[in-house]
Amino acid sequence: EPEVTQTPSHQVTQMGQEVILRCVPISNHLYFYWYRQILGQKVEFLVSFYNNEISEKSEIFDDQFSVERPDGSNFTLKIRSTKLEDSAMYFCASSETSSSRAGELFFGEGSRLTVL
Amino acid sequence: GENVEQHPSTLSVQEGDSAVIKCTYSDSASNYFPWYKQELGKGPQLIIDIRSNVGEKKDQRIAVTLNKTAKHFSLHITETQPEDSAVYFCAAHNAGKSTFGDGTTLTVKP
Repeated sequence: EPEVTQTPSHQVTQMGQEVILRCVPISNHLYFYWYRQILGQKVEFLVSFYNNEISEKSEIFDDQFSVERPDGSNFTLKIRSTKLEDSAMYFCASSETSSSRAGELFFGEGSRLTVL
Repeated sequence: GENVEQHPSTLSVQEGDSAVIKCTYSDSASNYFPWYKQELGKGPQLIIDIRSNVGEKKDQRIAVTLNKTAKHFSLHITETQPEDSAVYFCAAHNAGKSTFGDGTTLTVKP
């Protein structure tokens, strides 16, 4: 069964460092998303991406965050200068574009980011 | 923006009993309502969903109901099993964004 894959599974970084989290969405999906989940809390929307541009973003997704689809398969989330409060599990998700399947998100296993 | 409230935050049932989790949403434009199961250390996994043109949907032991007028939807799990123990999230989707509830930790005691 096709799945969303994420790397790394766990990254530890120093405050102020740049981090790039990588995702390979399901191959025929064209909508891509990043969500985050602080330990023990709910899943929070960060950004959605379609047709090589951001469709929606939340107030969490400030200037420190950026997304990119550098090639036909990868979808990345970059945090420019990490803060302690960026420590969380980051989930990538993808979905088909047809209106009948709109919103059906397939999540990856997540990348745990620990900022020291 | 959309606001999703989910209750209860924890739910403990005996194996074989039913479990019900309820969510309300605020944005009448939301048109898709998925339920996710999250096991420890894993990503959310879609278990059932419902669209706004349907009132009820069932898949074996799980069912979801939607009341658009009242803006609430519920997850029903019958004949619960220990492997149903997990965190369950509801979500409301609109315009390329899913807003999640706070989650319900379900424990099924053998």
